[in-house]
Amino acid sequence: AQTVTQSQPEMSVQEAETVTLSCTYDTSESDYYLFWYKQPPSRQMILVIRQEAYKQQNATENRFSVNFQKAAKSFSLKISDSQLGDAAMYFCAYRQGGSEKLVFGKGTKLTVNP
Amino acid sequence: SAVISQKPSRDICQRGTSLTIQCQVDSQVTMMFWYRQQPGQSLTLIATANQGSEATYESGFVIDKFPISRPNLTFSTLTVSNMSPEDSSIYLCSVEDVGFQETQYFGPGTRLLVL
Repeated sequence: AQTVTQSQPEMSVQEAETVTLSCTYDTSESDYYLFWYKQPPSRQMILVIRQEAYKQQNATENRFSVNFQKAAKSFSLKISDSQLGDAAMYFCAYRQGGSEKLVFGKGTKLTVNP
Repeated sequence: SAVISQKPSRDICQRGTSLTIQCQVDSQVTMMFWYRQQPGQSLTLIATANQGSEATYESGFVIDKFPISRPNLTFSTLTVSNMSPEDSSIYLCSVEDVGFQETQYFGPGTRLLVL
């Protein structure tokens, strides 16, 4: 079974600085998708960024970018110019191609200090 | 992306009772999903609901405990039956994006406390 590991239970960053959240996954499949979701205290799960495994180019969405290392099975999230509103739980998730099931990591709590 | 609403947003229930959670989407979607997030934990898929067919449950979840309805392409309900304090969780529904079917978008969640 596929597993997703987030090794950092908590991280903190100063406002306007950059922070990187780690995620590794275990799979023997070649067709899959990776996601980062953000869950602020309001508990709404918000999609931050997605990456198709077949794409070599790292996905970016404004201040959010990923470092996708397929051979290493690593999918880290970089947040640039951190803002107070970025404070939340961040979940890494994996979805195998052809399957509807999302497998989530345990999450990383990000604190942004003013 | 689709706009998803859930009712109720939160509830406090007595053990032994049942609660039905509604999930409404503003567009027609094929796949709807129900997740549970226990306190301080990650999300776990309960079941997948397709319109016109029985829901497909993940290991550890059974229909008698979590019956699901999917009467049309914009609506689904999840019932938490015969509740115990261990059922205290956030319950979230999600849908697949029409354009990117590998991507799921989530509703705001229902926070349930069972006393």
